[in-house]
Amino acid sequence: GAGVSQSPRYKVAKRGQDVALRCDPISGHVSLFWYQQALGQGPEFLTYFQNEAQLDKSGLPSDRFFAERPEGSVSTLKIQRTQQEDSAVYLCASSWTGEPYNSPLHFGNGTRLTVT
Amino acid sequence: EDQVTQSPEALRLQEGESSSLNCSYTVSGLRGLFWYRQDPGKGPEFLFTLYSAGEEKEKERLKATLTKKESFLHITAPKPEDSATYLCAVQAWGAGSYQLTFGKGTKLSVIP
Repeated sequence: GAGVSQSPRYKVAKRGQDVALRCDPISGHVSLFWYQQALGQGPEFLTYFQNEAQLDKSGLPSDRFFAERPEGSVSTLKIQRTQQEDSAVYLCASSWTGEPYNSPLHFGNGTRLTVT
Repeated sequence: EDQVTQSPEALRLQEGESSSLNCSYTVSGLRGLFWYRQDPGKGPEFLFTLYSAGEEKEKERLKATLTKKESFLHITAPKPEDSATYLCAVQAWGAGSYQLTFGKGTKLSVIP
C-alpha cells in the first residue's frame, strides 16, 4: 500500500524566504510526527499530532517554525524567514496509535531543505 | 536528558563476516528501544522494538538484544544489501513520552 508521502522532495530557499513542507500520512494513521535530520546526525523530534491536535511542539527550534494538521490527515510544516541553520532533511512519520512503542513509526523519504 | 550513543560510527565488513553494532542509552525510564535502518536518500525503516532487559528479536540475518544499559544489533553472515545506516532510538516514560531520541547511527558497508 501507499506509504508516507512528502513534498517537495528538494527545496532550495534564499535566506529570509518562507517555506512550506507537506506530509501525506498513511490513510487512517492517528499519529503524525515531524523530525529534523542534519547531515550525519540522527533525526531530532520537532512536533507531534494526534489527529488534529498538536500535543507536543517542544522540539520546534524557534517561533519561526509552525506546524498544522487541520483535518487530522495532511500536515504542513512552515518555516518563516529561513536561516542557513535550517538546512536539513525534514522527515514526517505516522503511526496507527498515539504511542510509538505500541505501533512503529512509518517514515516518509523527507524533504531536503537547502537555505542559501 | 535522554541520551543515545552508537558505536562504531562506521563499520566495513566483508560479505559473510559477522559483527555487532552497539547502542548505549541513558533514559529515566525505558518505554521502548527501537532499531531502524536508513538507506541513502530514504527515511528510516522500522526493524525492531525491544521493551525489557533480556528480550531478543530476530529478522533474517539481524538479531537485536537488550540489557539495562545497552542494545546490540548482531548481523550474521551479512550481504551487500545489508549496507545502510542503522539507527537506534529510545522512548521514555513520562512527559514528552511520544518522542523518540535517536543516536547518530552506525554506517555499515558490506563488501562483496
